[in-house]
Amino acid sequence: GDQVEQSPSALSLHEGTGSALRCNFTTTMRAVQWFRKNSRGSLINLFYLASGTKENGRLKSAFDSKERYSTLHIRDAQLEDSGTYFCAAATGGYKVVFGSGTRLLVSP
Amino acid sequence: ETAVFQTPNYHVTQVGNEVSFNCKQTLGHDTMYWYKQDSKKLLKIMFSYNNKQLIVNETVPRRFSPQSSDKAHLNLRIKSVEPEDSAVYLCASSSGTISNERLFFGHGTKLSVL
Repeated sequence: GDQVEQSPSALSLHEGTGSALRCNFTTTMRAVQWFRKNSRGSLINLFYLASGTKENGRLKSAFDSKERYSTLHIRDAQLEDSGTYFCAAATGGYKVVFGSGTRLLVSP
Repeated sequence: ETAVFQTPNYHVTQVGNEVSFNCKQTLGHDTMYWYKQDSKKLLKIMFSYNNKQLIVNETVPRRFSPQSSDKAHLNLRIKSVEPEDSAVYLCASSSGTISNERLFFGHGTKLSVL
């Protein structure tokens, strides 16, 4: 069955506002990555976490293996943040399960 | 900056034909992967290669086969395509196991089977 549940599936934000994306896991994951798919279709690494939190500019991510979730917070959203965001969780070894994605649209 | 290179970007073919997709990484990584993105945008792993050895082979149809000449290259061959093979195929690499290393993706190859 599905091991990664990502929400919301779509999100609309006005410039300057913020929100959070979330991935829930049905099993214990060893690490999580967050990606953004850009307009060219490339998957761009945003974060890799084995635990705790990381921050990069207006983005912040957290991962709690025990509670089985990860979040990606966006603050002060800009137009260029629009795209589809994916979480991907490592179950162990070389297996990775992706979430279904969150389509973010930032408008003026 | 793209360091995982896939060709072609698009490929249109007919049922029963053979296709081959190429992937090359210039990151010096030890492990490469092929993922399939289905119509629901879900990414599912198909194969991974570590030092020319197949590490993970998910239950994909036998018409799919990975081909690697060295650790920088991992091609994907489909012997006789079927309509359900229409998808985007993504190549990725990592320096070690996924559990402790970042994945780097190529742009993807979109396959359309008529």
